[in-house]
Amino acid sequence: DSGVTQTPKHLITATGQRVTLRCSPRSGDLSVYWYQQSLDQGLQFLIQYYNGEERAKGNILERFSAQQFPDLHSELNLSSLELGDSALYFCASSVAGDAYEQYFGPGTRLTVT
Amino acid sequence: EDKVVQSPLSLVVHEGDTVTLNCSYEVTNFRSLLWYKQEKKAPTFLFMLTSSGIEKKSGRLSSILDKKELFSILNITATQTGDSAVYLCAVFLNAGNNRKLIWGLGTSLAVNP
Repeated sequence: DSGVTQTPKHLITATGQRVTLRCSPRSGDLSVYWYQQSLDQGLQFLIQYYNGEERAKGNILERFSAQQFPDLHSELNLSSLELGDSALYFCASSVAGDAYEQYFGPGTRLTVT
Repeated sequence: EDKVVQSPLSLVVHEGDTVTLNCSYEVTNFRSLLWYKQEKKAPTFLFMLTSSGIEKKSGRLSSILDKKELFSILNITATQTGDSAVYLCAVFLNAGNNRKLIWGLGTSLAVNP
């Protein structure tokens, strides 16, 4: 158990819908990272927040957005969902703002039908 | 374009064999290289490498970075069935406000008894 929690564990929704994934980092960690992992694309870095501010941006679509709240938990919002958005979404956390040792949550499996 | 390439994509060995996994990169503003192990769940951190030629070891696993030739290797000696996993390599870039993690697609290792 990494200490990073993610909810929900599984999510099934229809195309065009919007969902919110939630992540609570390990106690004391200030950085949260979001990743998308699909079979054909591997692990894709989406976005990083550090102490409430956006720190780094990867391949995040405009239909996706994220934020980190004052209590350091983070939410990833996915809207206008498409079939291709079906994937495992991981959240990771680290103490520092730069990508050193990251601890991954168990992931949220999103299925878009 | 920044990229991280891992080889081989897949590897099947017998218990007791030694394996070497490769990670090569072409990036600007290299900061560090990280290795992760992913079984049927979230990736777990193995090593972080920032300096050339300094080997990091953890039990039967070791890794080294060559910043001149732009690659890293991960060695696993006396493999066990529990080493079966996907091994992921990631490179962290840091250029002022441009920070990101680039992940390879992974090497899938299967260790047969």
